[in-house]
Amino acid sequence: EAQVTQNPRYLITVTGKKLTVTCSQNMNHEYMSWYRQDPGLGLRQIYYSMNVEVTDKGDVPEGYKVSRKEKRNFPLILESPSPNQTSLYFCASTATSGRAGELFFGEGSRLTVL
Amino acid sequence: AQSVTQLGSHVSVSEGALVLLRCNYSSSVPPYLFWYVQYPNQGLQLLLKYTSAATLVKGINGFEAEFKKSETSFHLTKPSAHMSDAAEYFCAVRPMNTGFQKLVFGTGTRLLVSP
Repeated sequence: EAQVTQNPRYLITVTGKKLTVTCSQNMNHEYMSWYRQDPGLGLRQIYYSMNVEVTDKGDVPEGYKVSRKEKRNFPLILESPSPNQTSLYFCASTATSGRAGELFFGEGSRLTVL
Repeated sequence: AQSVTQLGSHVSVSEGALVLLRCNYSSSVPPYLFWYVQYPNQGLQLLLKYTSAATLVKGINGFEAEFKKSETSFHLTKPSAHMSDAAEYFCAVRPMNTGFQKLVFGTGTRLLVSP
C-alpha cells in the first residue's frame, strides 16, 4: 500500500529535550515536505526537499532542522523544543515538482511541549 | 503573496442538505487551486483540483467545485450531505511560476453533519 508513515503519532515532551519525528514514504517520490497545523492558521510549510541532500526553508523554519540522506526518509528535528512548537505535524510527498502535483500526506504527529 | 480565504471556520448542515464551502483566492493571474479533506485523526487527501482546464471540476465522493474568475472564487459543493462527509476541508493555492514547494493553505472549514 502506498503511504507516508510518520512516527511517533503522539508525543509529550519537555522544553529543551531534543526530538526527531521520522517520515518515510514508499512511493519513490523525490519531493517531500513538512507542515505544521495550528487552529485558525491552517497548514504552514516548515521545510521541503527536492531530492537527496537538497533541502530548503519553507514559511516557518525557525527552531527546526531536516535532513534528506535517503530518498524515502525525511526526518524533522527539533533540537531544543519550546512550547510554541506544540502543534500537529504532517509530512507530505509528491512525485512531481509541477504545479498540478498532488501531495500525499502522512497521518500526522501530535506534539506537545511542556 | 497569493493566498486563499475560507469563509466560515464551521459549517453545519443536515444529512441530505446541500453542502457549500467557500474559498476565495487573491491573485491577478489564475492560480492552480486545490481542495483537500482531513478526516478525524488522518492526514489530508486531495478532493479535487483546478489546473486551468475545465472551470467545473469534479472530485471524489460526489464533491465538485467551480472556478469563477470574475469572483475569484473556487467554492466546494455537494448536492446531498452524508454523515461520512463530516471532516475539515482546506482550500489551497499554488501560484504561477511555482512548483510543489509552494502550496498555500487556507485556515480550514470544519463541516458538521447532523442526522
